[in-house]
Amino acid sequence: DVVMTQTPPSLSVAIGQSVSISCKSSQSLVASDKNTYLNWLLQSPGRSPKRLIYQVSKLDSGVPDRFSGSGSEKDFTLKISRVEAEDLGVYYCLQGTHLPTFGAGTKLELK
Amino acid sequence: EVQLVESGGGLVQPGASLKLSCVASGFTFSDYWMSWVRQTPGKTMEWIGDIKYDGSYTNYAPSLKNRFTISRDNAKSTLYLQMSNVRSEDTATYYCTRGDYWGQGVMVTVSS
Repeated sequence: DVVMTQTPPSLSVAIGQSVSISCKSSQSLVASDKNTYLNWLLQSPGRSPKRLIYQVSKLDSGVPDRFSGSGSEKDFTLKISRVEAEDLGVYYCLQGTHLPTFGAGTKLELK
Repeated sequence: EVQLVESGGGLVQPGASLKLSCVASGFTFSDYWMSWVRQTPGKTMEWIGDIKYDGSYTNYAPSLKNRFTISRDNAKSTLYLQMSNVRSEDTATYYCTRGDYWGQGVMVTVSS
């Protein structure tokens, strides 16, 4: 299994602050088609997960551009600029290059 | 509007079988691979498996492959998860997902 190590486990932020979440994989996520299948999901309290970013840096429809994804090979980052209240919840990275596996999650809370 | 609605969960005894369903609407179901994912009470996310758009191919998490079966009925726009010989560690919320869209989830509790 590809292990996804996600840090930090939790973040306490003030509205308007910027934050970054890291996700490191135990194997390269570059697929045979040269794409990198690394997604970021947000699970808001009491809701089902919602995909925000796919293929490292592509934003899903309707996702604000204060979200951005970056990285390559085994090292990936989700950045949220100017956090808003609706951004609070648990963020997961998910790799789909190999049999899919998730990170353990990062809980974003209000300071 | 894309919607995925799971059903079939509940309380089940260890060793029993259970079949979950996921009815899709708002898109051409037969065009998409579909997956099942579960989330434990401790919030750990686990991919269960997926199925090709025409139902001809499936992938499974190795630890679940012998007990779980994914199928679909494109005429009914419905995805299924057959769970057999369930164990307490199968207690979780089960989601069907297209990747970009997720259902609301259905809870399965395995307990005597």
